[in-house]
Amino acid sequence: AQSVTQLGSHVSVSEGALVLLRCNYSSSVPPYLFWYVQYPNQGLQLLLKYTSAATLVKGINGFEAEFKKSETSFHLTKPSAHMSDAAEYFCAVSDSGGGADGLTFGKGTHLIIQP
Amino acid sequence: NAGVTQTPKFQVLKTGQSMTLQCAQDMNHNSMYWYRQDPGMGLRLIYYSASEGTTDKGEVPNGYNVSRLNKREFSLRLESAAPSQTSVYFCASTSAGTGRFFGPGTRLTVL
Repeated sequence: AQSVTQLGSHVSVSEGALVLLRCNYSSSVPPYLFWYVQYPNQGLQLLLKYTSAATLVKGINGFEAEFKKSETSFHLTKPSAHMSDAAEYFCAVSDSGGGADGLTFGKGTHLIIQP
Repeated sequence: NAGVTQTPKFQVLKTGQSMTLQCAQDMNHNSMYWYRQDPGMGLRLIYYSASEGTTDKGEVPNGYNVSRLNKREFSLRLESAAPSQTSVYFCASTSAGTGRFFGPGTRLTVL
């Protein structure tokens, strides 16, 4: 069985500050890992994905995430927060590349950007 | 490309009423999914269809039925709506090697 834990249901940072959203996973096989973003009243949009290539993955809008097997973590970072980054962020894990076997989502982290 | 489209965007039902949520994708994806999103619960898989002609239960299938009408369309039916089914419903699609693409959601309230 696979599972995802996102630490902190709400994270608040100042505009221009570092964004760090934490995600830890468990999986019985080498995992595929994803970060999704959901803006208010919209569906989820893929930010980035890890599929066993480079451990540092770059995504859209300046976000990146690092896969650390020893820590079973896949934290999401952005060097400088913008107001437009305010959204809900979901980490997800799959043991099949996110295909027909399904994707297990974390409960989400709401990112608040303070002016 | 429109991506994944869902209808309706909003719906209010009375307990016991039935309705069908429609989903269509124009990306020629093989797999399609229905999720529900509730505050503090993340997304939970209701049903999925790995390919045209197949459907399988997800984490929370009770009270729902699905139909994979063709490769493009995957509908979700509530036969007798209950207040516990008040939620935001998302359809998604994918093929091997692609990320999962989500529709804009249907906001359902059951009174």
